[in-house]
Amino acid sequence: NAGVTQTPKFQVLKTGQSMTLQCAQDMNHNSMYWYRQDPGMGLRLIYYSASEGTTDKGEVPNGYNVSRLNKREFSLRLESAAPSQTSVYFCASSKQTGRDTQYFGPGTRLTVL
Amino acid sequence: KNQVEQSPQSLIILEGKNCTLQCNYTVSPFSNLRWYKQDTGRGPVSLTIMTFSENTKSNGRYTATLDADTKQSSLHITASQLSDSASYICVVNVAGGYNKLIFGAGTRLAVHP
Repeated sequence: NAGVTQTPKFQVLKTGQSMTLQCAQDMNHNSMYWYRQDPGMGLRLIYYSASEGTTDKGEVPNGYNVSRLNKREFSLRLESAAPSQTSVYFCASSKQTGRDTQYFGPGTRLTVL
Repeated sequence: KNQVEQSPQSLIILEGKNCTLQCNYTVSPFSNLRWYKQDTGRGPVSLTIMTFSENTKSNGRYTATLDADTKQSSLHITASQLSDSASYICVVNVAGGYNKLIFGAGTRLAVHP
């Protein structure tokens, strides 16, 4: 039982390049989330998926797109990376939305030059 | 505006000593409050959860308190160990909706031998 896994662990991009961050969970959770963590700030929600087949914007969605591929997988895409997107990205999952505990992956450290 | 503020930003203590971390929040409507531990290079892991009616919750050497009237919480660590070195994040769950979490910026704790 690996919990929440993310790939890659590290990535360096040039401004304007695109990439997809992958996330998978093996806990049979319905809800999944993408966050970013910047120095001196709390985690901020980018997008979430309450259940398979649905996605919704969070607090900071601009510049990102997501795909809930199936119940296990939730990907985050940067179409044209910008230096402001340099951050650590965390994927999380929970049984349902509401008050259920969110379980976090190990993170992807992204640098955009 | 929903906010979670933590103090101190960082703290250094000697192994075996106790410490207390503080959290003040202005979140409405309130559902619950969690403390997460985040080791360097890892994702956050839930330590405790408290609802409005609970004023204390323990998890081993970690004891969290909640004063819903003053909107304050604390995390007390007893007999600290080197493995307690991490960031501790106070997180408030907004009632209703999709499991919206408001994250504090965290307190970075270093335990020295």
